[in-house]
Amino acid sequence: EDKVVQSPLSLVVHEGDTVTLNCSYEVTNFRSLLWYKQEKKAPTFLFMLTSSGIEKKSGRLSSILDKKELFSILNITATQTGDSAVYLCAVGNYGQNFVFGPGTRLSVLP
Amino acid sequence: ETGVTQTPRHLVMGMTNKKSLKCEQHLGHNAMYWYKQSAKKPLELMFVYNFKEQTENNSVPSRFSPECPNSSHLFLHLHTLQPEDSALYLCASSQDWTAPDGRGYTFGSGTRLTVV
Repeated sequence: EDKVVQSPLSLVVHEGDTVTLNCSYEVTNFRSLLWYKQEKKAPTFLFMLTSSGIEKKSGRLSSILDKKELFSILNITATQTGDSAVYLCAVGNYGQNFVFGPGTRLSVLP
Repeated sequence: ETGVTQTPRHLVMGMTNKKSLKCEQHLGHNAMYWYKQSAKKPLELMFVYNFKEQTENNSVPSRFSPECPNSSHLFLHLHTLQPEDSALYLCASSQDWTAPDGRGYTFGSGTRLTVV
């Protein structure tokens, strides 16, 4: 059965800190990995990763995938209170839908 | 706004009521999904429609009944629900269910359902 594990499940940091969120998976016939940010309700898309070792960047956020070790990390540098959210990881294989992890709840304190 | 609109935003219903959730997308996507998000649990896929045809039903109880009249609209009809069905119900769409584009899914803001 396909599985996605995220760690930590919750994290509290102060503004300016750098955080690393982890997503590991067991999926047959891997296709791609998605990261989403969920603040109140609608998860919003951050990154789609399909190839190992290629970093995706958007402002202070970056992510990388390791298909050999079956994990991805999401880095946020110089965190701000607006980064407080649940970060979701989802993994998909060919011909099937994505499986979501439980999410990491990040709280950034002023 | 993400391009996927869900109504109502909040719904409180009794166990004997019948209600419907609505989802509409204006992104030109061909696949639409219903997800359930309960407290402290991962997003659970409920139903998938591709080009108006149901392609997946993830062992969802029959008290949840989906309807997809066209590629832009998706409904979830609810009847005789249980308190444990209280959750956030999210609608999503993608270009195609077998090969989402580079943005994966686009989600709506959800309907917060409380069953009393």
